[in-house]
Amino acid sequence: KQEVTQIPAALSVPEGENLVLNCSFTDSAIYNLQWFRQDPGKGLTSLLLIQSSQREQTSGRLNASLDKSSGRSTLYIAASQPGDSATYLCAVPQGAQKLVFGQGTRLTINP
Amino acid sequence: GAGVSQSPSNKVTEKGKDVELRCDPISGHTALYWYRQSLGQGLEFLIYFQGNSAPDKSGLPSDRFSAERTGGSVSTLTIQRTQQEDSAVYLCASSPGELGREQYFGPGTRLTVT
Repeated sequence: KQEVTQIPAALSVPEGENLVLNCSFTDSAIYNLQWFRQDPGKGLTSLLLIQSSQREQTSGRLNASLDKSSGRSTLYIAASQPGDSATYLCAVPQGAQKLVFGQGTRLTINP
Repeated sequence: GAGVSQSPSNKVTEKGKDVELRCDPISGHTALYWYRQSLGQGLEFLIYFQGNSAPDKSGLPSDRFSAERTGGSVSTLTIQRTQQEDSAVYLCASSPGELGREQYFGPGTRLTVT
């Protein structure tokens, strides 16, 4: 059974800092890994999808890496802004389709 | 184009009543998923549709929960005889259906059972 863990559970940093969020998974036989953002009271917004054949994926100030063999992914946020404050979730498919989520990292960027 | 939509956005119901939650996926997406997000359990999978059939119902917590999808589009999640532990945010997602494709989520329905 796939299990996903995210560290840290919460993170508070001043504006402008670069930061790294961590995600680990127990079964390395995955098709892909997806990073999401969730604002309070809202649904999930997909940030990045990394296919199993890829090592990293970039979108703007976000960069996600994937190391399947070690069961790890990191989400790097450059030059953080207060608008980046949200909960960040990583998820991997178990079997063909259904996603297994980590518990999330609650990020606060202080002006 | 339009994203995944869900209705209602909020639902308050009395214990023992039945509720129906609706999901409209992105047009053309053949795969549709229901998840539940609660404080104690995080985000958990409920059911997956490919077209109108549900090859994976393994996450439905009890036989009070059922779901259907018609016309390969709209899906309804029904909870019968609601209990307080059913209180959660119910999220719907859709994807083009092929393996390895991105899932897109709706805004969710917040269900409160009093």
